[in-house]
Amino acid sequence: ETGVTQTPRHLVMGMTNKKSLKCEQHLGHNAMYWYKQSAKKPLELMFVYSLEERVENNSVPSRFSPECPNSSHLFLHLHTLQPEDSALYLCASSQGTANTEAFFGQGTRLTVV
Amino acid sequence: GQQVMQIPQYQHVQEGEDFTTYCNSSTTLSNIQWYKQRPGGHPVFLIQLVKSGEVKKQKRLTFQFGEAKKNSSLHITATQTTDVGTYFCAGPLGAGNMLTFGGGTRLMVKP
Repeated sequence: ETGVTQTPRHLVMGMTNKKSLKCEQHLGHNAMYWYKQSAKKPLELMFVYSLEERVENNSVPSRFSPECPNSSHLFLHLHTLQPEDSALYLCASSQGTANTEAFFGQGTRLTVV
Repeated sequence: GQQVMQIPQYQHVQEGEDFTTYCNSSTTLSNIQWYKQRPGGHPVFLIQLVKSGEVKKQKRLTFQFGEAKKNSSLHITATQTTDVGTYFCAGPLGAGNMLTFGGGTRLMVKP
């Protein structure tokens, strides 16, 4: 148990579906991240929120929409995904963004059919 | 763009052999971190190096940070089957100093 909880652990969705991934951290951290992990790019940074403001958006397609309602919760809203979006989506948190360790959740294994 | 590269991508070793993975950054880093991800698991923080030339040890693991603070290595002495997994290095890069991960080295240990 790392203090970062992701739900669901597994998700299968069709290309026309809308779904959301949830991440919750109980560590009092002020930064939260979404990473995509696939065979092609092992740990690809998608979004970063610091103090509930988005500070990084790594050219992620608009079919992925993040939301950070407070410092403990992070969502990734999914809409009209493609099969190549199938991957493990990892949430992480840290105290600050540069010089402190990141704590990862267990990830959501997403399959787009 | 700025990036962190790791070699090798894969490494098979016989149990008891040593293992080393190397990490190189395109720019000087303020610090470098190492993570381990077991098969089916998530990345777990191992250590952070901050000083030029720093060397830290954790039991059979030895971590080094280069003098120029652009490269790092992780050396495992006498590997065990419990060492299996993917080892990632990461450093703060870009305008926002965001934690950027290398491609990882997947270690497989034959008993």
